Amino acid sequence: EAGVTQFPSHSVIEKGQTVTLRCDPISGHDNLYWYRRVMGKEIKFLLHFVKESKQDESGMPNNRFLAERTGGTYSTLKVQPAELEDSGVYFCASSHGQGYRSTREQYFGPGTRLTVT
Amino acid sequence: AQKITQTQPGMFVQEKEAVTLDCTYDTSDPSYGLFWYKQPSSGEMIFLIYQGSYDQQNATEGRYSLNFQKARKSANLVISASQLGDSAMYFCAMREGHEYSGGGADGLTFGKGTHLIIQP
Repeated sequence: EAGVTQFPSHSVIEKGQTVTLRCDPISGHDNLYWYRRVMGKEIKFLLHFVKESKQDESGMPNNRFLAERTGGTYSTLKVQPAELEDSGVYFCASSHGQGYRSTREQYFGPGTRLTVT
Repeated sequence: AQKITQTQPGMFVQEKEAVTLDCTYDTSDPSYGLFWYKQPSSGEMIFLIYQGSYDQQNATEGRYSLNFQKARKSANLVISASQLGDSAMYFCAMREGHEYSGGGADGLTFGKGTHLIIQP
């Protein structure tokens, strides 16, 4: 079974540019999450999809961030326009949708390292 | 206030010794889940172990066990017989609310991590 994959693994862009990160969850996982780790800080929750619907987007930092999950499969996270403080590692995770939450461990992808210069 | 506190930024341990990584948490929710993840230098986050707030027994997974002290709000990770490959960052995380229901938002809150180095 393939794990969570993320593309690209690294991205270097200039301030003001746009970047789109992609996440492919484990096949059949209804739940998809985005997290971010800024240098020296904790990993922070950004957003949770259940299929194509946003269940919780309380962690999205501002309206420069747009997440989509059309069709309930892969997800994209667009940053437009990028700022210096957006630099960090963006993780995607997925979990299955059945049963109690207590059974739903989140499997993480390798992350996308974003550098805004 | 921090929800997850990991007080050990770094630890050096001799190979084959047991290791305890500290984690304390803060929540007013009676229902929550606690997780430990390992992040080796390659960057991926590897799930290690889970403990539900109502679980009667401490969780164990191979060489990993979770020392769950509910009254103290601590969830320390114990690695028995450490190996060189255990060198990595370790993160404690919590999911609050409705742990034993089917729905709800379930984003994790993470601590800052502990960098564990196993020495030969």
